[in-house]
Amino acid sequence: GQQLNQSPQSMFIQEGEDVSMNCTSSSIFNTWLWYKQDPGEGPVLLIALYKAGELTSNGRLTAQFGITRKDSFLNISASIPSDVGIYFCAGSKAAGNKLTFGGGTRVLVKP
Amino acid sequence: GAVVSQHPSRVICKSGTSVKIECRSLDFQATTMFWYRQFPKQSLMLMATSNEGSKATYEQGVEKDKFLINHASLTLSTLTVTSAHPEDSSFYICSAPQGGIQYFGPGTRLTVT
Repeated sequence: GQQLNQSPQSMFIQEGEDVSMNCTSSSIFNTWLWYKQDPGEGPVLLIALYKAGELTSNGRLTAQFGITRKDSFLNISASIPSDVGIYFCAGSKAAGNKLTFGGGTRVLVKP
Repeated sequence: GAVVSQHPSRVICKSGTSVKIECRSLDFQATTMFWYRQFPKQSLMLMATSNEGSKATYEQGVEKDKFLINHASLTLSTLTVTSAHPEDSSFYICSAPQGGIQYFGPGTRLTVT
């Protein structure tokens, strides 16, 4: 099935660093969402975006809905150890409809 | 936020047997629920859309006779993996929308031996 192109696939962070990841699609989505998934659990919603160009923050997280409706990015500022996990972008054609997921960005702590 | 539960959280079954997984919306009603499958180190792939009171809609490549979905009430959808085989071993996750947002269950880890 179709997937969104999410990058990077993985990244190492050091506490205090900022983190960025993005998703692109060949088709338009009218809703973009960002989820975090911890091992063995279901995804938990971080941010939902409903309007092209929208920039939304949730604490240290900021996400933007691209103006073309074909991309979105997520920034995490001043990362902390509990930011480790897998982040997924997801798009839907309408709010509440089925989601198409990106491949995920695995955030790990620098040894 | 809305709460979605799944039961069981883990199940081990023998090849050839059937397994039922339940998805419940605990504090809201959902006429539609979604079932996803996630293999290790991969993303979530939509399997089917569960519709209350009518037939489920399956994604391309998902066998409807193998993955039976029943959405008999506004708070419960079930996924039955029939005649399970080792390649069906996966993490199965459901979601339900509320207020335009998809809320996910905690997932069910199925291992077929």
